[in-house]
Amino acid sequence: GAGVSQTPSNKVTEKGKYVELRCDPISGHTALYWYRQSLGQGPEFLIYFQGTGAADDSGLPNDRFFAVRPEGSVSTLKIQRTERGDSAVYLCASSLIRNTGELFFGEGSRLTVL
Amino acid sequence: AQSVTQPDIHITVSEGASLELRCNYSYGATPYLFWYVQSPGQGLQLLLKYFSGDTLVQGIKGFEAEFKRSQSSFNLRKPSVHWSDAAEYFCAVGGDGNKLVFGAGTILRVKS
Repeated sequence: GAGVSQTPSNKVTEKGKYVELRCDPISGHTALYWYRQSLGQGPEFLIYFQGTGAADDSGLPNDRFFAVRPEGSVSTLKIQRTERGDSAVYLCASSLIRNTGELFFGEGSRLTVL
Repeated sequence: AQSVTQPDIHITVSEGASLELRCNYSYGATPYLFWYVQSPGQGLQLLLKYFSGDTLVQGIKGFEAEFKRSQSSFNLRKPSVHWSDAAEYFCAVGGDGNKLVFGAGTILRVKS
């Protein structure tokens, strides 16, 4: 599979728990993005990595959300003390060249917080 | 602040009929504009994009879109819709192509 891979595809957790969502981008893509899509809405930007560093994390809603990309490839989105309002589909995308807008999206990780 | 409005939540067209999906944007400078499609069980896929130059852009799957600065619009069109076009379509705007702002989407239904 040459596409963006996200795991798990579905995650159900209880309020207050910690959650990790993983993204494996397309090989060679240096840019990686996280978006969140709530029901009936379009994707909402969370964070953008260029290589290992977070180039723009202005979309992270609060300090319970954190993302890493330690080796410049796989990224993990971490959510602490989950709340019911965190329930959404978390989308990861990657791109080869910066500033083209041609993002390749994964199928997403659906998070449900009970 | 950047924003995108897609006025139609749902649209139903007959197979073979023409299609136009509306998109209006708000952006302080020359925008980069995009249309993405999301089919069930699949990730978002880029249909087409406008950065500069010719205001009529061609995309994949027979889609095209026209940038109209005076109307702040970037409507998506297709002359003849196929049943496989049924999906959700998102318009997006971005200043540098990275931090895209998406509209709420339009769900297209195709009836035979």
